[in-house]
Amino acid sequence: DAGVIQSPRHEVTEMGQEVTLRCKPISGHDYLFWYRQTMMRGLELLIYFNNNVPIDDSGMPEDRFSAKMPNASFSTLKIQPSEPRDSAVYFCASSFAGGSTGELFFGEGSRLTVL
Amino acid sequence: QKEVEQDPGPLSVPEGAIVSLNCTYSNSAFQYFMWYRQYSRKGPELLMYTYSSGNKEDGRFTAQVDKSSKYISLFIRDSQPSDSATYLCAMTNAGNNRKLIWGLGTSLAVNP
Repeated sequence: DAGVIQSPRHEVTEMGQEVTLRCKPISGHDYLFWYRQTMMRGLELLIYFNNNVPIDDSGMPEDRFSAKMPNASFSTLKIQPSEPRDSAVYFCASSFAGGSTGELFFGEGSRLTVL
Repeated sequence: QKEVEQDPGPLSVPEGAIVSLNCTYSNSAFQYFMWYRQYSRKGPELLMYTYSSGNKEDGRFTAQVDKSSKYISLFIRDSQPSDSATYLCAMTNAGNNRKLIWGLGTSLAVNP
């Protein structure tokens, strides 16, 4: 299995620009998570989906952030407009209902720098 | 106060040492406890998983949970340079177990 695939791996953009991060979960997994990681705040859950339906988006910082999952094999996290404080590593993770509780499979992350 | 507290380190030990990593938590409803390992510029990967109190051993790794003290530990025996990574604890309750609460992570360096 290829694992969770994220793109781009690195993104450098200027304040005010739109950023789109992409994720392909592991085939057969029915949960998908978007996390943000910074040194100061650690791993923060932004939103998670079950069977393509958003279940909890309470971690989304503000209206500038949006996430979609149009089908079981693809999800996007969009930031519009981007701000310097959005600079972080964004991880996508997936899991399946029959797996061990708390076992998430993470992608390698998208490192975002907003200038 | 954060729900999960973890000393960020860094922790530096010689090869072969026994390493002890710890987290404390405040929510007595937590039932599932995980340790994830994260190598530099990689995503976290599940290392150990424990339900409720007790010990669990897997090779050189032992996870302990003390629910009465709200304290969990990860022990690494005969540490190796390849163990150099950041170790994150995570936990959840039974009712909403897809939403993990994470520690900040402890950075470990094992020196040859």
